[in-house]
Amino acid sequence: GEDVEQSLFLSVREGDSSVINCTYTDSSSTYLYWYKQEPGAGLQLLTYIFSNMDMKQDQRLTVLLNKKDKHLSLRIADTQTGDSAIYFCAPHSGGGADGLTFGKGTHLIIQP
Amino acid sequence: DAGITQSPRHKVTETGTPVTLRCHQTENHRYMYWYRQDPGHGLRLIHYSYGVKDTDKGEVSDGYSVSRSKTEDFLLTLESATSSQTSVYFCAISESDRGCTFGSGTRLTVV
Repeated sequence: GEDVEQSLFLSVREGDSSVINCTYTDSSSTYLYWYKQEPGAGLQLLTYIFSNMDMKQDQRLTVLLNKKDKHLSLRIADTQTGDSAIYFCAPHSGGGADGLTFGKGTHLIIQP
Repeated sequence: DAGITQSPRHKVTETGTPVTLRCHQTENHRYMYWYRQDPGHGLRLIHYSYGVKDTDKGEVSDGYSVSRSKTEDFLLTLESATSSQTSVYFCAISESDRGCTFGSGTRLTVV
């Protein structure tokens, strides 16, 4: 099955950029998602990228995909205290049936 | 959460008792999932459904069963709860490859 690896913690200063990295093993992943989980809440779909794209930008969020190295990153520009959360990488091989494989999540800690 | 409701939100139960968690959706999505979230493990898939009466096992299905008699409801049952099943349980729905929508979770404590 798919293995997904993420660093457990990332600490950044407010106003700086945050870069959260993810590596995965299934080269057939067609959609790659980023989810955000705030304390005590469920997961919220943040953004996603198709496997035929290298980059996707959505306001302060930039997703980079290196398909050759099976590496996905999420960059958050001008990080704010409201960005403090756990971020999950979740590649998907296509077809809705068998669910997503999630990384263990990266805790983003914002320093004032 | 976009037409998906989990109940109860919190439950404390004793070892050996049966427990049923409910997921209800108003989106008419085809696919429904049950995940559990534990520190150090992230989210792991328990069971999923791809239609009424069509279900299959996920990564950590032992000790759990599910039923889907209607499109809108997906039930997760712990036949005989154990302490290792203390966790936060999330239901999710999807219709296409545009990702899942998650419920708010059920925090289950087995004492």
